[in-house]
Amino acid sequence: KQEVTQIPAALSVPEGENLVLNCSFTDSAIYNLQWFRQDPGKGLTSLLLIQSSQREQTSGRLNASLDKSSGRSTLYIAASQPGDSATYLCAVRTRSSGDKLTFGTGTRLAVRP
Amino acid sequence: EAQVTQNPRYLITVTGKKLTVTCSQNMNHEYMSWYRQDPGLGLRQIYYSMNVEVTDKGDVPEGYKVSRKEKRNFPLILESPSPNQTSLYFCASRTGGHGYTFGSGTRLTVV
Repeated sequence: KQEVTQIPAALSVPEGENLVLNCSFTDSAIYNLQWFRQDPGKGLTSLLLIQSSQREQTSGRLNASLDKSSGRSTLYIAASQPGDSATYLCAVRTRSSGDKLTFGTGTRLAVRP
Repeated sequence: EAQVTQNPRYLITVTGKKLTVTCSQNMNHEYMSWYRQDPGLGLRQIYYSMNVEVTDKGDVPEGYKVSRKEKRNFPLILESPSPNQTSLYFCASRTGGHGYTFGSGTRLTVV
């Protein structure tokens, strides 16, 4: 059974810092991994999708990497801004799990002005 | 605009009163899913559908029903809601090897 862990659970940084969020998963037989952002009480916004054959994806100040063999992904946020404050979730779609995303419990990020 | 639309956004109901949460997508996606999100438990899949008339259980299907009569719609039915179904519900859809697009959520309270 796939398990997804995100570290740290919470993070507070001053504006302008570069930061790294970590995601690990136990079953490396995945189709892809998706990073989401969730604002309090709101829906999930997809940030980046990495296919199992890819090593990284970039969008603006965001860069996500995938090391499938070690079961790890990182989300790198450059030059953080207060507007980046949210909960970041990673989710994997595993080959043995039908059409299901298995989510981590998230990293709650606060960027201080 | 490509989107997944859920209604209602907020709902308060009483135990045992049947309700339906609607979900519609305008992207011609084959795959659709329902998730619930609870504090400390994260997001868990309730049901999913791989195409019209094809549905299957996720991790927490008890107390829920779904149907997929049309490709664009995937309603979630609670025939006899109970307080333990108080949660934030999300509908999502995808196509091919692409990632999932999520709706804005439905916050359900059962009293």
